[in-house]
Amino acid sequence: DSGVTQTPKHLITATGQRVTLRCSPRSGDLSVYWYQQSLDQGLQFLIQYYNGEERAKGNILERFSAQQFPDLHSELNLSSLELGDSALYFCASSAKLSHLHSGANVLTFGAGSRLTVL
Amino acid sequence: GENVEQHPSTLSVQEGDSAVIKCTYSDSASNYFPWYKQELGKRPQLIIDIRSNVGEKKDQRIAVTLNKTAKHFSLHITETQPEDSAVYFCAASIGNTPLVFGKGTRLSVIA
Repeated sequence: DSGVTQTPKHLITATGQRVTLRCSPRSGDLSVYWYQQSLDQGLQFLIQYYNGEERAKGNILERFSAQQFPDLHSELNLSSLELGDSALYFCASSAKLSHLHSGANVLTFGAGSRLTVL
Repeated sequence: GENVEQHPSTLSVQEGDSAVIKCTYSDSASNYFPWYKQELGKRPQLIIDIRSNVGEKKDQRIAVTLNKTAKHFSLHITETQPEDSAVYFCAASIGNTPLVFGKGTRLSVIA
């Protein structure tokens, strides 16, 4: 157990629907990242939150949105789902920014949420 | 933005042989280079990392080398074992910016 908790583990839904993926970071970690991993693809960065604020944005579609709550858990909302959105969605957390002055952004990943859109 | 290229995409080695995976990055300002291992159906896990002020780092059977001039870094696994079979990802970042990952190398160790 990495300490990063993701729910649900598996989700099957239909095109056009909306789903919410949830992530709880490791205790003490303030930063949460969302990555998408499609079949035979690498890890595509979607979005990062730090202590409730959006910090960086990657290749995140307009149909997707995220937020980080005061208790530091994060949710990734995927709407108007398409077949191509089927993927493994990973959440990762990292230490406080004050610990990153040396430039080591060590990420700890959760187990992932596998989304299948039919 | 940063772009990370990783080669080869697949690699098969005999048990006991060495495996080398290479990555190049585009942004000379990148200063942190981790390697993650992802076993089938599991989460990526950090196995080793290197910072830009170091040229080489070893941890038992794995080592990483960094050539800042050429903007490439490599993972070396010696005396490979079947449990080394997995997908390996390299990544790069600048300071505390999000990691940019390569597309991964599927390593198969044949007993």
